[in-house]
Amino acid sequence: DTEVTQTPKHLVMGMTNKKSLKCEQHMGHRAMYWYKQKAKKPPELMFVYSYEKLSINESVPSRFSPECPNSSLLNLHLHALQPEDSALYLCASSQAPTSGGYNEQFFGPGTRLTVL
Amino acid sequence: GQSLEQPSEVTAVEGAIVQINCTYQTSGFYGLSWYQQHDGGAPTFLSYNGLDGLEETGRFSSFLSRSDSYGYLLLQELQMKDSASYFCAVITGANNLFFGTGTRLTVIP
Repeated sequence: DTEVTQTPKHLVMGMTNKKSLKCEQHMGHRAMYWYKQKAKKPPELMFVYSYEKLSINESVPSRFSPECPNSSLLNLHLHALQPEDSALYLCASSQAPTSGGYNEQFFGPGTRLTVL
Repeated sequence: GQSLEQPSEVTAVEGAIVQINCTYQTSGFYGLSWYQQHDGGAPTFLSYNGLDGLEETGRFSSFLSRSDSYGYLLLQELQMKDSASYFCAVITGANNLFFGTGTRLTVIP
């Protein structure tokens, strides 16, 4: 199984709502990532989890709250978002980082989020 | 910080060869990777160059010159299904990707 799944595919929420995005992989990967991608722009790294611990937070506003309950699951909790947060949110996973080299990141199909 | 530059758009004829260039400025460099993304789809891995030189995978090849902070992706025998966006990305350490601006490739008959 080389698939990363994300739910929901689409999400529309108001600025006062609380919602969560979910990501799951069963490849035994110990690193998981959240990216944000605006239309016609590259993916931008938001968070990195390594061995279920948050290792990188790329100065993301606190209205985005990541959670890694176990090695297969990654959540992104959303609260009090702004319309400019509307974007495609991509999850990825990879083998745990090693010194030097690169372990391929496998991306999920993303959740397209619209904030009204 | 990091910055990567790619041409924004490239158009090529089916069956032809196209090269997409990528120049980068980065602090902390472990290698250069290339990803393909179709409209509405997920980025998919194409190649990785950790050392200078050419890596070949089927119709796709990728090149890196660390001294020139430059790389390229070469696509041969273009097919209509190759129409997509192509991103170079630097690996900045701990397996983290920083993506370039992306090149939209259109393959025409």
